Amino acid sequence: GQNIDQPTEMTATEGAIVQINCTYQTSGFNGLFWYQQHAGEAPTFLSYNVLDGLEEKGRFSSFLSRSKGYSYLLLKELQMKDSASYLCAVSDSNYQLIWGAGTKLIIKP
Amino acid sequence: DTAVSQTPKYLVTQMGNDKSIKCEQNLGHDTMYWYKQDSKKFLKIMFSYNNKELIINETVPNRFSPKSPDKAHLNLHINSLELGDSAVYFCASSRLPEGYETQYFGPGTRLLVL
Repeated sequence: GQNIDQPTEMTATEGAIVQINCTYQTSGFNGLFWYQQHAGEAPTFLSYNVLDGLEEKGRFSSFLSRSKGYSYLLLKELQMKDSASYLCAVSDSNYQLIWGAGTKLIIKP
Repeated sequence: DTAVSQTPKYLVTQMGNDKSIKCEQNLGHDTMYWYKQDSKKFLKIMFSYNNKELIINETVPNRFSPKSPDKAHLNLHINSLELGDSAVYFCASSRLPEGYETQYFGPGTRLLVL
């Protein structure tokens, strides 16, 4: 079967760095997405990785290792507004998106 | 300049009723989706249309019927509502149906069945 695993919840301190991991087992791979979802709002696109390595975009970076079926989202200089759920999603061999359950990130002052 | 819009934002109704949710996108995208997000926040694909044609139809009760009058609109009609239908329903769109395309989500419709 197809499976995406992420931690359910994480807590971090304002100004710190946090890494949210995602492991996947899918039938084929055509890229991995990270989306951010604030409470009561819609998911919004953060990043897309299809090749191995690190993609940096401001305070957010996303890493992919296809051989390990593993990705992480790295958030630096955490701000209170980063409190949200972070959803990992993988595009499988049929180009359908398989979604993880999301990681709720709580930022404390 | 809203990209993906849904109406209504909130919907409270009685069990057994029939209701519709509307979605419109002004991004010029070919593909639209309906997702259900339950209380555990798990986002589950229900349907996908590409240029008004149904391309994804997951295991969803046939009480749910999508309709796409044109590629900018995708509506969802639900018959005989049940308590378990209570959830947030998100509409989304992407330029193309391929899974590597970024999806843009509407604000969601919060459905509560009493």
